[in-house]
Amino acid sequence: DIEMTQSPSSLSASVGDRVTIPCRASQSISNYLNWYQQKPGKAPKLLIYATSNLQSGVPSRFSGSGSGTDFTLTISNLQPEDFATYYCQQSYSTPPTFGGGTKVEIK
Amino acid sequence: QLQLQESGPGLVKPSETLSLTCTVSGASISSGSYYWGWIRQPPGKGLEWVGNIYHSGTTYYGPSLKSRVTISVDTSKNQFSLKLNSVTAADTAVYYCARLGGDHRGVYFDFWGQGTLVTVSS
Repeated sequence: DIEMTQSPSSLSASVGDRVTIPCRASQSISNYLNWYQQKPGKAPKLLIYATSNLQSGVPSRFSGSGSGTDFTLTISNLQPEDFATYYCQQSYSTPPTFGGGTKVEIK
Repeated sequence: QLQLQESGPGLVKPSETLSLTCTVSGASISSGSYYWGWIRQPPGKGLEWVGNIYHSGTTYYGPSLKSRVTISVDTSKNQFSLKLNSVTAADTAVYYCARLGGDHRGVYFDFWGQGTLVTVSS
């Protein structure tokens, strides 16, 4: 199985900040990387698929980049509703695997 | 708008079978080239894929649960179901059903149910 690593597990930021959330795969996954946002008590929500494609309805302050083993989710101009946990997920091979998540907290 | 809704017992005894159903509304489970899946999340922890099913009945299961899991589909009711047998406390989790969408660029879980907490306890 491909292991997805997200470090740090949490970070603190302020409204208006630019935040970068890293994700690393244990082997090359090309561009088969998705990002999800999860708020407490809610289901995950797809933000970005195939590394850099914004899901319909997702604000343009979210962007994704990377290739191979290293990927980044960037939130520019952090908004109050963006405080949540973010998960990366590889779809390169079965089983699909998720990172452990990065929680974005209010500074 | 596509909606998914999980249903089933919230409490299961150890060694018994966990059974959940996902009802899909807003689209036919048989239309399009979509897989339908189950993902679980133990309290305070991360996400674990359980398995997927196609409307034809083709299934894929996660390796850690493969020996205990069965996913089935009922196209007449627009539902798919999860059975996990011989459960232990480690199977306590929120269980989500989801649609696996995508294209040549990859696949992703684009629609999710709200999730249902299943607790394994005597």
